[in-house]
Amino acid sequence: DAKTTQPNSMESNEEEPVHLPCNHSTISGTDYIHWYRQLPSQGPEYVIHGLTSNVNNRMASLAIAEDRKSSTLILHRATLRDAAVYYCIRFNYGQNFVFGPGTRLSVLP
Amino acid sequence: ETGVTQSPTHLIKTRGQQVTLRCSSQSGHNTVSWYQQALGQGPQFIFQHYTEDENRRGNWPPRFSGLQFPNYSSELNVNALELDDSALYLCASSPWRVSSYNEQFFGPGTRLTVL
Repeated sequence: DAKTTQPNSMESNEEEPVHLPCNHSTISGTDYIHWYRQLPSQGPEYVIHGLTSNVNNRMASLAIAEDRKSSTLILHRATLRDAAVYYCIRFNYGQNFVFGPGTRLSVLP
Repeated sequence: ETGVTQSPTHLIKTRGQQVTLRCSSQSGHNTVSWYQQALGQGPQFIFQHYTEDENRRGNWPPRFSGLQFPNYSSELNVNALELDDSALYLCASSPWRVSSYNEQFFGPGTRLTVL
């Protein structure tokens, strides 16, 4: 049970922003939202995580809805290297990390 | 800083055999988790070791077992291999118990094929 819902695939043009949605309608008050991505032929890599407030780092931004039932990972300028499967994970300390099938992002030149 | 490494890269076994997969964590990381990733799916959590003890496990049969050593190396052992065990096996390390805050660092995986 992945506990999150994401679109199977999305497309973006290079150098344009990408908004990857995630639904986690049954989230509890102490669950964090983590995003990982998996480039072809590699293991997953951490992207960003947050609890309630929007978060920014060098890779991306995470926008969390006020009711916390959904979130959006924002890549500000997609590059070809950003083509990957993006996983949205609802996680709390003491639980197992549960990956869903993720969203496969294609970036068109 | 050396990342997480895994060996071998690829492995072919036959049904019924046993296999040992190895992982070397980043220095200072005392938590290692193992995942199985079938083709086209997300990684599935197998178990986690913290300071050499298994402290968390997913819904996997006992033929999946593991060890963690003090030198930041770990093993995943699978006995009585079945065809469905064919998958990419990933290990991930983190500096302490996977918490709501910490990121996991994944290795590139070992591709196991069971014939």
